[in-house]
Amino acid sequence: NAGVMQNPRHLVRRRGQEARLRCSPMKGHSHVYWYRQLPEEGLKFMVYLQKENIIDESGMPKERFSAEFPKEGPSILRIQQVVRGDSAAYFCASSPWTGLEQYFGPGTRLTVT
Amino acid sequence: AQTVTQSQPEMSVQEAETVTLSCTYDTSESDYYLFWYKQPPSRQMILVIRQEAYKQQNATENRFSVNFQKAAKSFSLKISDSQLGDAAMYFCAYGDNSGGSNYKLTFGKGTLLTVNP
Repeated sequence: NAGVMQNPRHLVRRRGQEARLRCSPMKGHSHVYWYRQLPEEGLKFMVYLQKENIIDESGMPKERFSAEFPKEGPSILRIQQVVRGDSAAYFCASSPWTGLEQYFGPGTRLTVT
Repeated sequence: AQTVTQSQPEMSVQEAETVTLSCTYDTSESDYYLFWYKQPPSRQMILVIRQEAYKQQNATENRFSVNFQKAAKSFSLKISDSQLGDAAMYFCAYGDNSGGSNYKLTFGKGTLLTVNP
C-alpha cells in the first residue's frame, strides 16, 4: 500500500503566479488534511476535507487559497497570486475515517521568488 | 483555542543516554489525544507515540515513553538509550473532535534534538 503522495516535491513560483499542490491519499482513505510549515515553525492546520466536501477550513487564509478533494483524483491546494510570505512547506495527511491516525506525505516545498 | 508549547528549542544528548523533551498544552476539552512526531532532515513527519487523555497509563513504544500529567496539562517525551538516528526535530501535537474537526492537529514549535556520539 503506497503511502501518501505529494507532488511536486519542490515548486518555485514568481510573485503573482499560481501554485497548485497535489496530494494523493493512501488507498482507502477518504479524509485529507492540509498543514503549512513556515520556517522555524511547527505545522499549522489549514483545511480538512472529505471526498467532495470541505469540512473545516478555519486555518485557511480568506483570500487566494482554496482546496478541493474531488470524487476522483487527488486533493488540490491552490494558491493564487502567490507572495513571498507563502514560501513554506505544505504537508498533507490522510486518514481512513478518524483523524487519530494521520499519515503524512513528504511535503511540497514552495519557494516564491 | 487549543495551544501547545514546547519550551526547549534545542536539546542535546549523548549516545546511549536518556533525554526528556517537554510539552505543555492548554484546552478546555476533556476528551483529546496527544502526539509526538519526529521530523528528520528528510522533513517526513513520523508518528512516534500517541496518548489518549482518558487513559491514566502512560504510553510506551520501545525506547520512547511519555509522562502524561493531565491536571498539569503536561506531556513530556522520554527517549532512552538514545541513538544517532534519533536526531531530529520533535513536535508535540494535540487533537480533539470538537466541532467535528476530526482531530485536526495543533502543533508546538518543536525541539531540535542533537545526539552526540
